Amino acid sequence: SQQGEEDPQALSIQEGENATMNCSYKTSINNLQWYRQNSGRGLVHLILIRSNEREKHSGRLRVTLDTSKKSSSLLITASRAADTASYFCATGSSGGSNYKLTFGKGTLLTVNP
Amino acid sequence: DSGVTQTPKHLITATGQRVTLRCSPRSGDLSVYWYQQSLDQGLQFLIQYYNGEERAKGNILERFSAQQFPDLHSELNLSSLELGDSALYFCASSVGPDNSPLHFGNGTRLTVT
Repeated sequence: SQQGEEDPQALSIQEGENATMNCSYKTSINNLQWYRQNSGRGLVHLILIRSNEREKHSGRLRVTLDTSKKSSSLLITASRAADTASYFCATGSSGGSNYKLTFGKGTLLTVNP
Repeated sequence: DSGVTQTPKHLITATGQRVTLRCSPRSGDLSVYWYQQSLDQGLQFLIQYYNGEERAKGNILERFSAQQFPDLHSELNLSSLELGDSALYFCASSVGPDNSPLHFGNGTRLTVT
């Protein structure tokens, strides 16, 4: 079953604009991670934010986490055509001694030149 | 390049057959994860191994099995294949058993005819 749900499912913007993707989840988490997938390729880790953190930056990426609302957002600033990809949030949670990383269905971002 | 190697890249086989997918994790990583990605189900966690031991189990069918060998490479065995097993199968690795970012291979595309 999916833990994280991304919104929107698809997003189309012009180069230079900002892109914002949201992720909502249901149960308590240890951390939340964002990944990127180019068509037919493996996922690439972008950023990890721990449950006790509220905001994190990495280059043009900004991630926020609101554990009270069980939601996170990924902002890509000054987007480029090369940012076209699917973006997934993944929630890391521990059940007993087992740690699971559960992915959402992703947001397909298209950046038009 | 993530450092995770998956073979083969493509596999076409008939219903009822058995196949083995192979994964070599990134150098130094002790955890190996298997995921199945299909259009309708998204990215589903199958199973995780850490340093040769099964660590966590997800939505893995009884027809599927996996193991991690002493050299840390892993194999995923799929048997009695059905049309619905057609999907992209990803292997990922991480340094530790919990909370670590995952490094994905480029996947094995399985087509069952």
